[in-house]
Amino acid sequence: DTGVSQNPRHKITKRGQNVTFRCDPISEHNRLYWYRQTLGQGPEFLTYFQNEAQLEKSRLLSDRFSAERPKGSFSTLEIQRTEQGDSAMYLCASSLAPGRRNEKLFFGSGTQLSVL
Amino acid sequence: GEDVEQSLFLSVREGDSSVINCTYTDSSSTYLYWYKQEPGAGLQLLTYIFSNMDMKQDQRLTVLLNKKDKHLSLRIADTQTGDSAIYFCAEWLGSGGSYIPTFGRGTSLIVHP
Repeated sequence: DTGVSQNPRHKITKRGQNVTFRCDPISEHNRLYWYRQTLGQGPEFLTYFQNEAQLEKSRLLSDRFSAERPKGSFSTLEIQRTEQGDSAMYLCASSLAPGRRNEKLFFGSGTQLSVL
Repeated sequence: GEDVEQSLFLSVREGDSSVINCTYTDSSSTYLYWYKQEPGAGLQLLTYIFSNMDMKQDQRLTVLLNKKDKHLSLRIADTQTGDSAIYFCAEWLGSGGSYIPTFGRGTSLIVHP
């Protein structure tokens, strides 16, 4: 396991369709984060998990967005009824929990979503 | 990422030094980070500094921290064309034990011959 893996790398969908992205974190990392990044902007926090518990989800952009991490390993991010404004890069990152000295995020390469 | 502020662009000549600046929000932040993003890729951790330090050097990278002004800078010595990328400053923001890694908008570094 050499890093955070995200699939697919690219997703093109039609407006109104549902999409799901997958993230496989670094195996020993217990925290997993989802971010959205649009052109010219920094990563915008969406949600995060510690193991299987979703500790913060108030920043999910709407109720069309949901995330799961059922066994505390991989995670999925689902967007229902996609809109053109959902077009962005969706980034996943993992880390060891704060409180240890290694408070560093390791990012995947992202999933680029295009909604037509 | 509006809590962390960065200038958007920096253009330097190959071989010169680059200095990328950041103003962060939370004076109690314990760690401050610099990430690099190349086109079409995720972010890569470059370096970080612990808040009880004023400076940290790592090969061509020097991080300076001014806690009084909440100012962080990244200096890249002998800048190369491969350093062309977007650089993000980041801190952990939050309260009540729930902290979120928060990023600036990024500084696009352009290195020209």
